[in-house]
Amino acid sequence: GIQVEQSPPDLILQEGANSTLRCNFSDSVNNLQWFHQNPWGQLINLFYIPSGTKQNGRLSATTVATERYSLLYISSSQTTDSGVYFCAVSSIKAAGNKLTFGGGTRVLVKP
Amino acid sequence: GAGVSQTPSNKVTEKGKYVELRCDPISGHTALYWYRQSLGQGPEFLIYFQGTGAADDSGLPNDRFFAVRPEGSVSTLKIQRTERGDSAVYLCASSGTSSYNEQFFGPGTRLTVL
Repeated sequence: GIQVEQSPPDLILQEGANSTLRCNFSDSVNNLQWFHQNPWGQLINLFYIPSGTKQNGRLSATTVATERYSLLYISSSQTTDSGVYFCAVSSIKAAGNKLTFGGGTRVLVKP
Repeated sequence: GAGVSQTPSNKVTEKGKYVELRCDPISGHTALYWYRQSLGQGPEFLIYFQGTGAADDSGLPNDRFFAVRPEGSVSTLKIQRTERGDSAVYLCASSGTSSYNEQFFGPGTRLTVL
Protein backbone atom coordinates (compact mmCIF):
# COMPACT_ATOMS: atom_id res chain seq x y z
CA GLY A 1 0.00 0.00 0.00
CA ILE A 2 0.87 3.66 -0.10
CA GLN A 3 3.50 4.91 2.37
CA VAL A 4 3.29 8.29 4.10
CA GLU A 5 6.23 9.84 5.91
CA GLN A 6 6.13 13.03 7.92
CA SER A 7 9.02 15.14 9.08
CA PRO A 8 10.20 16.23 11.50
CA PRO A 9 8.70 13.83 14.06
CA ASP A 10 9.01 16.44 16.80
CA LEU A 11 9.20 20.23 16.73
CA ILE A 12 9.67 22.70 19.56
CA LEU A 13 8.98 26.33 18.74
CA GLN A 14 9.11 29.61 20.54
CA GLU A 15 5.86 31.53 20.32
CA GLY A 16 5.92 33.75 17.25
CA ALA A 17 8.23 31.52 15.22
CA ASN A 18 7.46 30.13 11.77
CA SER A 19 7.76 26.47 10.78
CA THR A 20 7.34 24.05 7.90
CA LEU A 21 6.07 20.48 8.21
CA ARG A 22 6.59 18.03 5.38
CA CYS A 23 4.63 15.03 4.12
CA ASN A 24 6.07 12.63 1.53
CA PHE A 25 3.97 9.91 -0.07
CA SER A 26 4.91 7.00 -2.26
CA ASP A 27 2.21 6.95 -4.95
CA SER A 28 -0.30 9.13 -6.80
CA VAL A 29 -3.15 10.39 -4.65
CA ASN A 30 -6.68 11.66 -5.17
CA ASN A 31 -7.07 13.03 -1.65
CA LEU A 32 -4.69 14.67 0.77
CA GLN A 33 -5.75 16.15 4.07
CA TRP A 34 -3.90 17.88 6.90
CA PHE A 35 -5.27 17.53 10.43
CA HIS A 36 -4.44 18.97 13.82
CA GLN A 37 -5.10 16.58 16.70
CA ASN A 38 -5.73 18.60 19.83
CA PRO A 39 -4.84 17.43 23.36
CA TRP A 40 -8.34 15.94 23.73
CA GLY A 41 -7.79 13.73 20.70
CA GLN A 42 -10.12 15.48 18.28
CA LEU A 43 -8.92 15.54 14.67
CA ILE A 44 -9.51 19.02 13.31
CA ASN A 45 -9.54 19.52 9.55
CA LEU A 46 -6.97 22.03 8.39
CA PHE A 47 -6.80 21.53 4.64
CA TYR A 48 -8.20 19.31 1.91
CA ILE A 49 -5.45 19.74 -0.65
CA PRO A 50 -4.76 16.97 -3.20
CA SER A 51 -2.94 19.59 -5.28
CA GLY A 52 -2.18 23.30 -5.32
CA THR A 53 -1.90 25.89 -2.57
CA LYS A 54 -4.36 27.05 0.07
CA GLN A 55 -4.21 29.51 2.93
CA ASN A 56 -6.30 29.86 6.05
CA GLY A 57 -5.19 32.57 8.43
CA ARG A 58 -1.73 31.82 9.78
CA LEU A 59 -1.70 28.40 8.13
CA SER A 60 -1.05 27.56 4.52
CA ALA A 61 -0.38 24.36 2.60
CA THR A 62 1.07 23.36 -0.72
CA THR A 63 0.84 19.98 -2.43
CA VAL A 64 3.05 19.14 -5.40
CA ALA A 65 1.32 15.97 -6.55
CA THR A 66 3.77 15.23 -9.37
CA GLU A 67 6.64 15.17 -6.88
CA ARG A 68 4.62 13.41 -4.17
CA TYR A 69 4.95 15.80 -1.27
CA SER A 70 2.97 18.35 0.67
CA LEU A 71 4.06 21.14 3.00
CA LEU A 72 2.20 22.75 5.89
CA TYR A 73 3.36 26.21 6.93
CA ILE A 74 2.65 27.67 10.35
CA SER A 75 3.42 31.36 10.72
CA SER A 76 3.60 33.39 13.93
CA SER A 77 3.00 30.27 16.01
CA GLN A 78 0.86 30.43 19.14
CA THR A 79 0.69 28.10 22.14
CA THR A 80 -2.69 26.89 20.89
CA ASP A 81 -0.93 25.49 17.82
CA SER A 82 0.58 22.77 20.02
CA GLY A 83 -0.51 19.23 19.28
CA VAL A 84 0.05 16.59 16.65
CA TYR A 85 -0.23 17.38 12.95
CA PHE A 86 -1.18 14.52 10.66
CA CYS A 87 -1.01 14.24 6.91
CA ALA A 88 -3.33 11.65 5.38
CA VAL A 89 -3.66 10.53 1.78
CA SER A 90 -5.86 8.33 -0.36
CA SER A 91 -4.14 6.39 -3.13
CA ILE A 92 -5.70 6.47 -6.60
CA LYS A 93 -5.26 2.70 -6.58
CA ALA A 94 -7.38 2.25 -3.46
CA ALA A 95 -11.11 1.60 -3.60
CA GLY A 96 -13.18 4.44 -2.18
CA ASN A 97 -11.33 7.09 -0.27
CA LYS A 98 -9.71 5.36 2.68
CA LEU A 99 -7.02 7.51 4.24
CA THR A 100 -3.51 6.37 5.09
CA PHE A 101 -1.99 8.51 7.81
CA GLY A 102 1.60 9.48 8.40
CA GLY A 103 3.17 9.13 11.80
CA GLY A 104 2.51 12.76 12.66
CA THR A 105 4.61 15.74 13.72
CA ARG A 106 4.36 16.58 17.42
CA VAL A 107 4.54 20.35 17.85
CA LEU A 108 5.12 22.15 21.11
CA VAL A 109 4.92 25.94 21.10
CA LYS A 110 6.48 27.52 24.18
CA PRO A 111 5.35 30.92 25.47
CA GLY B 1 -26.22 17.14 13.90
CA ALA B 2 -23.53 19.58 12.95
CA GLY B 3 -20.69 17.09 13.12
CA VAL B 4 -19.91 13.41 13.46
CA SER B 5 -20.86 12.07 16.88
CA GLN B 6 -19.72 8.89 18.58
CA THR B 7 -20.97 7.08 21.63
CA PRO B 8 -19.86 6.19 24.18
CA SER B 9 -16.90 8.51 24.59
CA ASN B 10 -15.24 5.98 26.86
CA LYS B 11 -15.78 2.27 27.28
CA VAL B 12 -14.07 0.02 29.80
CA THR B 13 -14.67 -3.69 29.47
CA GLU B 14 -13.18 -6.97 30.56
CA LYS B 15 -11.28 -9.37 28.36
CA GLY B 16 -13.65 -11.68 26.53
CA LYS B 17 -16.65 -9.36 26.59
CA TYR B 18 -18.63 -8.03 23.61
CA VAL B 19 -18.78 -4.29 22.85
CA GLU B 20 -20.63 -2.05 20.44
CA LEU B 21 -19.46 1.39 19.37
CA ARG B 22 -21.82 3.78 17.62
CA CYS B 23 -21.24 6.47 15.00
CA ASP B 24 -23.67 9.13 13.77
CA PRO B 25 -22.30 10.71 10.59
CA ILE B 26 -22.92 14.20 9.30
CA SER B 27 -26.46 14.40 7.93
CA GLY B 28 -26.55 13.59 4.23
CA HIS B 29 -23.08 12.04 4.07
CA THR B 30 -23.19 8.76 2.22
CA ALA B 31 -19.67 7.55 2.94
CA LEU B 32 -18.69 6.40 6.45
CA TYR B 33 -15.31 5.18 7.66
CA TRP B 34 -13.99 3.53 10.83
CA TYR B 35 -10.37 3.96 11.92
CA ARG B 36 -8.43 2.84 14.98
CA GLN B 37 -5.71 4.87 16.68
CA SER B 38 -3.23 3.33 19.08
CA LEU B 39 -1.24 5.46 21.48
CA GLY B 40 1.43 7.51 19.74
CA GLN B 41 0.44 6.47 16.22
CA GLY B 42 -1.67 7.78 13.38
CA PRO B 43 -5.16 6.38 12.78
CA GLU B 44 -5.40 3.16 10.75
CA PHE B 45 -8.25 2.30 8.41
CA LEU B 46 -10.67 -0.44 9.39
CA ILE B 47 -13.76 -0.37 7.13
CA TYR B 48 -15.58 1.87 4.65
CA PHE B 49 -19.31 2.05 3.87
CA GLN B 50 -20.90 3.63 0.82
CA GLY B 51 -24.56 3.74 1.70
CA THR B 52 -25.59 0.56 3.48
CA GLY B 53 -22.93 -1.75 2.08
CA ALA B 54 -19.38 -2.31 3.27
CA ALA B 55 -17.38 -1.33 0.19
CA ASP B 56 -13.99 -2.12 1.74
CA ASP B 57 -13.41 -4.06 4.96
CA SER B 58 -9.77 -4.86 4.29
CA GLY B 59 -8.60 -3.11 7.46
CA LEU B 60 -10.56 -5.22 9.94
CA PRO B 61 -7.88 -7.11 11.91
CA ASN B 62 -9.78 -10.40 12.27
CA ASP B 63 -13.24 -11.93 12.34
CA ARG B 64 -13.93 -10.68 15.86
CA PHE B 65 -14.56 -7.28 14.33
CA PHE B 66 -17.75 -6.52 12.42
CA ALA B 67 -19.57 -3.34 11.42
CA VAL B 68 -23.03 -2.57 10.10
CA ARG B 69 -24.88 0.40 8.66
CA PRO B 70 -28.39 -0.97 8.05
CA GLU B 71 -30.13 2.24 6.97
CA GLY B 72 -27.22 4.07 5.40
CA SER B 73 -26.81 6.51 8.26
CA VAL B 74 -25.81 5.35 11.77
CA SER B 75 -23.11 2.69 11.95
CA THR B 76 -22.17 0.28 14.72
CA LEU B 77 -18.75 -1.32 15.13
CA LYS B 78 -19.01 -4.61 16.99
CA ILE B 79 -16.11 -6.39 18.68
CA GLN B 80 -16.54 -9.91 20.01
CA ARG B 81 -14.39 -11.64 22.64
CA THR B 82 -12.39 -8.48 23.28
CA GLU B 83 -8.66 -8.76 23.90
CA ARG B 84 -6.31 -6.35 25.69
CA GLY B 85 -4.72 -5.55 22.31
CA ASP B 86 -8.04 -4.09 21.14
CA SER B 87 -7.54 -1.16 23.51
CA ALA B 88 -7.35 1.98 21.37
CA VAL B 89 -9.35 5.01 20.27
CA TYR B 90 -11.89 4.11 17.61
CA LEU B 91 -12.60 6.97 15.24
CA CYS B 92 -15.44 7.41 12.80
CA ALA B 93 -15.42 9.73 9.79
CA SER B 94 -17.91 10.65 7.11
CA SER B 95 -17.74 12.35 3.74
CA GLY B 96 -20.16 13.61 1.11
CA THR B 97 -21.66 12.10 -1.97
CA SER B 98 -18.48 11.91 -4.05
CA SER B 99 -15.94 9.18 -3.46
CA TYR B 100 -13.17 11.73 -3.16
CA ASN B 101 -14.62 14.24 -0.75
CA GLU B 102 -13.05 15.58 2.43
CA GLN B 103 -13.48 13.38 5.50
CA PHE B 104 -14.64 14.76 8.84
CA PHE B 105 -13.91 12.90 12.05
CA GLY B 106 -15.84 12.34 15.23
CA PRO B 107 -14.34 12.69 18.73
CA GLY B 108 -13.70 8.95 19.01
CA THR B 109 -14.48 6.23 21.52
CA ARG B 110 -11.66 5.29 23.87
CA LEU B 111 -11.89 1.53 24.45
CA THR B 112 -10.00 -0.02 27.34
CA VAL B 113 -9.96 -3.80 27.72
CA LEU B 114 -8.85 -4.92 31.16
